[in-house]
Amino acid sequence: KQEVTQIPAALSVPEGENLVLNCSFTDSAIYNLQWFRQDPGKGLTSLLLIQSSQREQTSGRLNASLDKSSGRSTLYIAASQPGDSATYLCAALHDDSGGSNYKLTFGKGTLLTVNP
Amino acid sequence: EAQVTQNPRYLITVTGKKLTVTCSQNMNHEYMSWYRQDPGLGLRQIYYSMNVEVTDKGDVPEGYKVSRKEKRNFPLILESPSPNQTSLYFCASNSGSPAGDEQFFGPGTRLTVL
Repeated sequence: KQEVTQIPAALSVPEGENLVLNCSFTDSAIYNLQWFRQDPGKGLTSLLLIQSSQREQTSGRLNASLDKSSGRSTLYIAASQPGDSATYLCAALHDDSGGSNYKLTFGKGTLLTVNP
Repeated sequence: EAQVTQNPRYLITVTGKKLTVTCSQNMNHEYMSWYRQDPGLGLRQIYYSMNVEVTDKGDVPEGYKVSRKEKRNFPLILESPSPNQTSLYFCASNSGSPAGDEQFFGPGTRLTVL
């Protein structure tokens, strides 16, 4: 059974700092890995998607990497801003039922606070 | 605009009163699913559907029903809601491509069962 773990559970940094959020998954047979942002009580905003054949994806100040063999992904945020404060979720897309369930298994998230 | 819509966005109800949360996508996606999000437990899959008339249980299906009569719609039905179904619910869809596409999520439905 796929399990996704995110470390740390919470992170507080001063504005301007570069930071790394970690995500690990137990089963390397994934189709892709997605990073989401969630503001309190709100929906999920997709940030980056890395296909299983890719090593990294970049969007603005965000860079996500994927190492399937070791079951790890990282989200790098450069020059953090107070507006980056949110919960960041990673999720692995995998086949849960022999080809009939393209299921996303989520980590529990990292709560990021960027202090002005 | 490609999107997944859910209604209602907020709902307060009482134990035992049947309710339906609607979900609709305009991307002609084959695959749709429902998740619930609870503090400390994260997001968990309730039900999923690979195509019209094809549905199956996810990790936490107890107390829920779904139907997929049309490709675009995937309603979540609570026949007799209970307080432990108080949660934030998300509908999601993707194309179902074996390569694995991005999952699109609806805005969420916050349900409170008294």
